[in-house]
Amino acid sequence: EVLLVESGGTLIQPGGSLRLSCAASGFTFSGYSLNWVRQAPGKGLEWVAHSSSSGRTIYYADSVQGRFTISRDNAKNSLHLQMDSLRDEDTALYYCARSYCTGGVCYMDNWGQGTLVTVSS
Amino acid sequence: IQLTQSPSSLSASVGDRVTITCRASQGISSYLAWYQQKPGKAPKLLIYAASTLQSGVPSRFSGSTSGTDFTLTISSLQPEDFATYYCQQLSSFPLTFGPGTKVDIK
Repeated sequence: EVLLVESGGTLIQPGGSLRLSCAASGFTFSGYSLNWVRQAPGKGLEWVAHSSSSGRTIYYADSVQGRFTISRDNAKNSLHLQMDSLRDEDTALYYCARSYCTGGVCYMDNWGQGTLVTVSS
Repeated sequence: IQLTQSPSSLSASVGDRVTITCRASQGISSYLAWYQQKPGKAPKLLIYAASTLQSGVPSRFSGSTSGTDFTLTISSLQPEDFATYYCQQLSSFPLTFGPGTKVDIK
């Protein structure tokens, strides 16, 4: 069974830094791209960042470019999101989601339960 | 690439046929997925490549496409289908989601 478990969310002041983690199991971690997707309270889904299976190809949403850094440790089956210069609008539930690609088509087939980040003074 | 969804919400009864539309601001071929999200839960993949049903998803769910318009259809709404539905384009980065369609009980 594919399992993605996020951790690291907490209450933090604006301007602060936080590191989220996603522990994966049940699949060959190094063979899959992964994403962070967030959802502000009562709002819709927003894609945040993507890492290829090797970690060499990375993309970010404009809203976090330059402030967030996605990384992965394939030896430890873990994905991370380093969040710096946090703003009130970064308050959200952060999901880790696996990308499954077949025949050139990709989609997010497995999601964790999320970790809550609250940015407030 | 921006995605719009219509309607933003709808009320329906068990057994109703429900149709949700997602429109892309430019061509995305068939690189579109549909997700279902229930309160307090993570999103669940329903359909990918615009019309391919994810394994384990009931056959009452279906997807279709016409140009840049994509449709999610629930042929006969069941009690467990009351949820919010999101489309997502995976044609190019940045990946984007539609704003969602909330389906509730009439």
